Amino acid sequence: AQSVAQPEDQVNVAEGNPLTVKCTYSVSGNPYLFWYVQYPNRGLQFLLKYITGDNLVKGSYGFEAEFNKSQTSFHLKKPSALVSDSALYFCAVRDASGGSYIPTFGRGTSLIVHP
Amino acid sequence: GAGVSQSPSNKVTEKGKDVELRCDPISGHTALYWYRQSLGQGLEFLIYFQGNSAPDKSGLPSDRFSAERTGGSVSTLTIQRTQQEDSAVYLCASRPSGGGSYNEQFFGPGTRLTVL
Repeated sequence: AQSVAQPEDQVNVAEGNPLTVKCTYSVSGNPYLFWYVQYPNRGLQFLLKYITGDNLVKGSYGFEAEFNKSQTSFHLKKPSALVSDSALYFCAVRDASGGSYIPTFGRGTSLIVHP
Repeated sequence: GAGVSQSPSNKVTEKGKDVELRCDPISGHTALYWYRQSLGQGLEFLIYFQGNSAPDKSGLPSDRFSAERTGGSVSTLTIQRTQQEDSAVYLCASRPSGGGSYNEQFFGPGTRLTVL
């Protein structure tokens, strides 16, 4: 079985400050991990993914995420937030060793960046 | 290039009516997914198509929901005898298969369904 948790419904940060959106996961084998962003009235857009290799993954719009196997976490980070980063962020996981090609998505975290 | 498209963008219907939602995936993407997004509920998986294989229907909430994919491309999600609890945004996503099953999904803009 696979599952993912985003413990914060909402994250507030001031523009220019660093931001972190948290994600923890559970899989039987090794994980494939994804972050997506959803702007209002739009579909989800891919930000970055971890498959294997370096634990620090860099993605679109200056975002990065760090895979931590011991803590089963994949937190999304950005050094300096922009107002335009305000959106809904989804973490997703898929068990690399499972037979299913269906990822499990978290409930989403609303990021609000204040000017 | 063209992304995933969905139609209609908005659909308002009366309780008990049938609705059809359409998804045009990115050309060449063999995997196609349908999700339902309700306020505060995240993404709920509905159905998954992969090439010519039998679809994975494990997420369909009731037998009022069905989907088909014709010619390995366009997909239609049908909801029969709609209920108010079916009101949600229905998202379609496609994924290329080349290069590995860990490829990311490409999402359409969604269809907002409102059942009165």
